[in-house]
Amino acid sequence: DAGVIQSPRHEVTEMGQEVTLRCKPISGHDYLFWYRQTMMRGLELLIYFNNNVPIDDSGMPEDRFSAKMPNASFSTLKIQPSEPRDSAVYFCASSSGEHNEQFFGPGTRLTVL
Amino acid sequence: AQKITQTQPGMFVQEKEAVTLDCTYDTSDPSYGLFWYKQPSSGEMIFLIYQGSYDQQNATEGRYSLNFQKARKSANLVISASQLGDSAMYFCAMREGPPLGWRALTFGSGTRLQVQP
Repeated sequence: DAGVIQSPRHEVTEMGQEVTLRCKPISGHDYLFWYRQTMMRGLELLIYFNNNVPIDDSGMPEDRFSAKMPNASFSTLKIQPSEPRDSAVYFCASSSGEHNEQFFGPGTRLTVL
Repeated sequence: AQKITQTQPGMFVQEKEAVTLDCTYDTSDPSYGLFWYKQPSSGEMIFLIYQGSYDQQNATEGRYSLNFQKARKSANLVISASQLGDSAMYFCAMREGPPLGWRALTFGSGTRLQVQP
């Protein structure tokens, strides 16, 4: 079975540009999460979805960040406009089942110059 | 207050020896779950092991076991017979609330383990 798929794996962009990160969760999983990992702040939950509906976006840092899940097999995280402090590794994870173990994608390393 | 505390920023262990990575947690919820993840240098997060607060026995998965001491609020990861491939960052995480239905996972700051030949 394929795991969580993220694209792109690496993204380098200039400040002010729009960035879109993509995620395909594991088939059959009904929860999807977006995390951000930085050296300073560790792993932070940004937003999560249940059955394609955003449940909690309190971790989204600013209005510049938005996330969508148009169907069960696809989600996007968009940053517009991007800033250097957004540089981080962005993980998507999905989950289903009793224990809520989350399976992570390989991450997208974002660098904003 | 920190929900998850990992006090060892870095650990060294000799190949084939056992190592214990510490994790303490803080919650007032009687129902919770504890997780360990491994993050190798390649960056992916790999789920290792889970322990529920009501589980009677310590969780084990191959060479990984979780030393769960509920009264002390600790959930240490034990890796037996360390291998070079175990060198990675290890994160402890907690979910508060009952298993069914999702709850937020809170992660600790991680422990970097280096296995020496």
